[in-house]
Amino acid sequence: DIQMTQSPSSLSASVGDRVTLTCRASQSVSRSVHWYQHKPGKAPKLLIYSATRLQSGVPSRFSGSGSWTEFTLTISSLQPEDFATYFCLQTHTTPLTFGQGARLDIK
Amino acid sequence: QGQLVQSGPEVKNPGASVKVSCKAAGYTLSRYGITWVRQAPGQGLEWMGWVSGYNGDTQLAEKLQGRLTMTTDTSTDTAYMELMSLRSDDTALYYCARGYGVEAPDIWGQGTKVTVSS
Repeated sequence: DIQMTQSPSSLSASVGDRVTLTCRASQSVSRSVHWYQHKPGKAPKLLIYSATRLQSGVPSRFSGSGSWTEFTLTISSLQPEDFATYFCLQTHTTPLTFGQGARLDIK
Repeated sequence: QGQLVQSGPEVKNPGASVKVSCKAAGYTLSRYGITWVRQAPGQGLEWMGWVSGYNGDTQLAEKLQGRLTMTTDTSTDTAYMELMSLRSDDTALYYCARGYGVEAPDIWGQGTKVTVSS
């Protein structure tokens, strides 16, 4: 199975900060990596698909980059509603595998 | 845009079966696949498999084969996940999501809590 290693696993930041989260794949997954925001009791929300493509309706402060084995999600200026858990998912090879999640807290 | 609405929480005894439904609203199920994912308490997300809304083809996680069935009913735009011979480690929040293959699952259900306990 492809392992997706996400870092950091938790992060404290302030409103207005720039934040970068990383997912590393244990083998190449091309660009089949997607990023989600997850808040307790709610359905996960797709932010970025295919490594770099912004999902419709998602604010432009979210961006994704990377390919092959290293991928990043950047939030350019944190807003209060951005404090949540973020996870990556690879759909290149079954079984699909997820990063373990990164919890973003208010500093 | 659409949404997926899942059935309510379930409490089951070990050895029993559970069937979770996932109804598509605002789009036609037959045009997409459905992926099932679960998250046990304190654990990460685990892919269970997917089912094609077009022809019902499935691909299931190897560790669950033999206990897991995924089906669709296109007449009601509803997908189903049935897990049999339940064990305590099947206790989890179960999600359905729209997506199949390399597609990013883009719409997720609200989750169904399944508790396995005697």
